[in-house]
Amino acid sequence: DIQMTQSPSTLSASVGDRVTITCRASQSISSWLAWYQQKPGKAPKLLIYDGVILESGVPSRFSGSRFGTEFTLTISSLQPDDFASYYCHQYNSEPWTFGQGTRVEIK
Amino acid sequence: EVQLVESGGGLVTPGGSLRLSCAASGFSFNLFDMHWVRQAPGKGLEWVSSISRTSTYIYYADSVRGRFTISRDNAENSLSLQMNSLRAEDTALYYCVRDGRTVSVAGGNWFDPWGQGTLVTVSS
Repeated sequence: DIQMTQSPSTLSASVGDRVTITCRASQSISSWLAWYQQKPGKAPKLLIYDGVILESGVPSRFSGSRFGTEFTLTISSLQPDDFASYYCHQYNSEPWTFGQGTRVEIK
Repeated sequence: EVQLVESGGGLVTPGGSLRLSCAASGFSFNLFDMHWVRQAPGKGLEWVSSISRTSTYIYYADSVRGRFTISRDNAENSLSLQMNSLRAEDTALYYCVRDGRTVSVAGGNWFDPWGQGTLVTVSS
């Protein structure tokens, strides 16, 4: 099984900060990775797929990148609406696996 | 508008059974693989099971294999999850999720969209 190691588990930041969340795959997954945002009491929402492609309607302050088996979700300027939990998800091979999640809190 | 509406959750005693359903609308259901993903209270996301568009390929997480059965009815635009021999650790919000696209370049695709979930509580 492919393990997805996501860090940090919690992140405290202020509005306007640049925020970076990392997911490392235990083996190669090419670019087959998605990022989701989840707010309390809500279903996850797709932000990025295929590692770097921004889902339609998602603000351009969100971006994804890949370097080998390390993937990064970056929020260029954190907005009040961005305080939420974020998860990565590999779909290279079954069983599909998620990172443990990152909770972005207000500093 | 794409909609996924789960139902069938509830309180069940350990060893009991429950059947979850998902009603899909707003898209060509028979063209997409479908999935169940769960989230225990206060925890992260865990993939549970997947079924291909024609039910040819079915996958389960190790944690549920042999106890859960996924199925679909393309004529009714519905997805189901039969859960038997339930355990306390199966307590979670269960999401019905559509595959991100109708073709697979990788082993699979991203998950989008997600339903709002149905809560399953296993407790005596």
